[in-house]
This record gives sequence, structure tokens and C-alpha cells, in this order.
Amino acid sequence: AQSVTQLDSHVSVSEGTPVLLRCNYSSSYSPSLFWYVQHPNKGLQLLLKYTSAATLVKGINGFEAEFKKSETSFHLTKPSAHMSDAAEYFCVVSDRDYKLSFGAGTTVTVRA
Amino acid sequence: EAGVAQSPRYKIIEKRQSVAFWCNPISGHATLYWYQQILGQGPKLLIQFQNNGVVDDSQLPKDRFSAERLKGVDSTLKIQPAKLEDSAVYLCASSLSGRVGGTQYFGPGTRLLVL
Repeated sequence: AQSVTQLDSHVSVSEGTPVLLRCNYSSSYSPSLFWYVQHPNKGLQLLLKYTSAATLVKGINGFEAEFKKSETSFHLTKPSAHMSDAAEYFCVVSDRDYKLSFGAGTTVTVRA
Repeated sequence: EAGVAQSPRYKIIEKRQSVAFWCNPISGHATLYWYQQILGQGPKLLIQFQNNGVVDDSQLPKDRFSAERLKGVDSTLKIQPAKLEDSAVYLCASSLSGRVGGTQYFGPGTRLLVL
């Protein structure tokens, strides 16, 4: 069985400072891992995905994530937050089959 | 490229009424998914179609929920009768195929409130 734990339900940062969203996963196989972002009243948008290639994955809008198998983690980072980064972020895992298992989400607020 | 389309965007009904949601996936995408997202939670898969066949409906409450994708393109999800706990956002997604690691593209969702 696969599962995801997002360690922070809410993260607040100042504009221009780094963002760190933490995610741990559980999987019996080599997983595929994703980060999706959901802005208010908008659909989920893929930020980046890991599928057993390079462990450091670069995504859109300056986000990146690092796959660490020894720590079963896939944390999302951005060096400098922008006001438009305020949204809900979901860490997602998929292993043997097509099914996506979503974390509970992390709400990011950005202070001016 | 047009994204996944869903309608209506919002719906308010009373319990025991019926409701239907519509989804049109990205052109050429063989796989279509319906998810339920309850407030404060991540989306949960309800049903997956490959073309017009059901691949997985293990999480669909079949006593009240039904879904179809008759021509392998657009799809409808129906709830009859609705319960208070069905209040949620219903998301439709599509992908080129259902292979592992494939990217799913999501629509804006239909927000349902059951009173």
C-alpha cells in the first residue's frame, strides 16, 4: 500500500524568503512522486514529478524537489517566495499502478 | 491546447435530490478519472475509465453514485439520492494513458453543497 504524509498543514512565509514544504511517503515499490498546486477555485496543476530519473527534480515557477530514498522524503522548495505562490500544495505518490494517493495538503500563505 | 472542462462549477441541492456532473477531457486522452475532494482533504479517486470501459470503481459508493463514458470521450457522474456527506468538490482528470507515472491533468472541479 502507498501513502503520503505532509508534515505541515500550514506554512506562512514572507515574500522573497525560501519556502519548504515537507512530504514523506510510504511505498512497497519504486514510486513515482508528484507535487500539485491548487489555487482557489482553480484545478490542480502539476508542479513537478519524479519517475526514477534524476533525484533532484526541477518544476515550474522556480520550484524543485529532491527524492531521498533513505529518508522516504520528497520535500518541495523554492528559494524566493512570490505572492502568487499562495495556494494549497499536494504531495502525491503512485507506485505499481496508476492510482494516485494524495496527501492532506499544505496551505501556503505569503506575507508582503 | 484546451484543458479539462467541467460543468456546472457550483451546485446546491437538498438531501435526497439527484445531481449530475459533466466532464470533457483533453482531446486524445484515453483515460478519465473522477475524484472527490472533501474540504481539508486531498482528492480521493472514485472511478477510472480507459476509453469507455471501467478500470477501477472500487471506491465508488455504488448504491448512490454512478458514472458513464459512453463514447469514450466525455463523462457524467451522477449522485442519487444525495446525502449531506456528499458535499465536496468533484474533480475530473484525464491522461494520455493509465500507465504508472503518467501525468493527470485536472479540471476546475464542481463544488457541490448538499443541504
